[in-house]
Amino acid sequence: QVQLQESGPGLVKPSETLSLTCAVSGYSISSGYYWGWIRQPPGKGLEWIGSIYHSGSTYYNPSLKSRVTISVDTSKNQFSLKLSSVTAADTAVYYCARLDVEMARPFDYWGQGTLVTVSS
Amino acid sequence: DIQMTQSPSSLSASVGDRVTITCRASQSISSYLNWYQQKPGKAPKLLIYAASSLQSGVPSRFSGSGSGTDFTLTISSLQPEDFATYYCQQSYSTPPEITFGQGTRLEIK
Repeated sequence: QVQLQESGPGLVKPSETLSLTCAVSGYSISSGYYWGWIRQPPGKGLEWIGSIYHSGSTYYNPSLKSRVTISVDTSKNQFSLKLSSVTAADTAVYYCARLDVEMARPFDYWGQGTLVTVSS
Repeated sequence: DIQMTQSPSSLSASVGDRVTITCRASQSISSYLNWYQQKPGKAPKLLIYAASSLQSGVPSRFSGSGSGTDFTLTISSLQPEDFATYYCQQSYSTPPEITFGQGTRLEIK
């Protein structure tokens, strides 16, 4: 059974960098698939942040591209998100998920999500 | 970029009702359309992928249809556990740039 678990600080100061890690168990990242980050501001809808292929190729939401870096560490079977210059608008629940490479590319496995609040 | 528009934004229905939610893409996305269910405080759950394929373990009362720009999610007979928010999602382009619909909140009448 594939499982994903987000971790990282729950509180980040404005203008600083948000950093989260997603630990994957039950599947080896290096075996394939895309891996992605999605966020959801309180009471609002889902927003895709970006995805990374097991080879390390990255794809970002154009609206966030200038501030986002996603990386993968196959030795630890985890991938990470960095979002720079955060503001209150970046307060959200952040989810990591696996993106199936088959047609339609759905997110088939999700982490439970972690709330990150941007506040001084 | 491809925009996804769901309708209605919210919906009230009763147990046993047949419910349909619509998702429209701003350009053709073939069948690159997925549907999710999200309950409060939980991660989204994949229901339908590739417009009409039922994800393993999902009850058969859920079905999806459509291709191109217009898609529907149908729940044939609402059960108490189906009251939730539903999202569509497209990932048509290569490399994949992904967008979600704004969501449809399904409430008990």
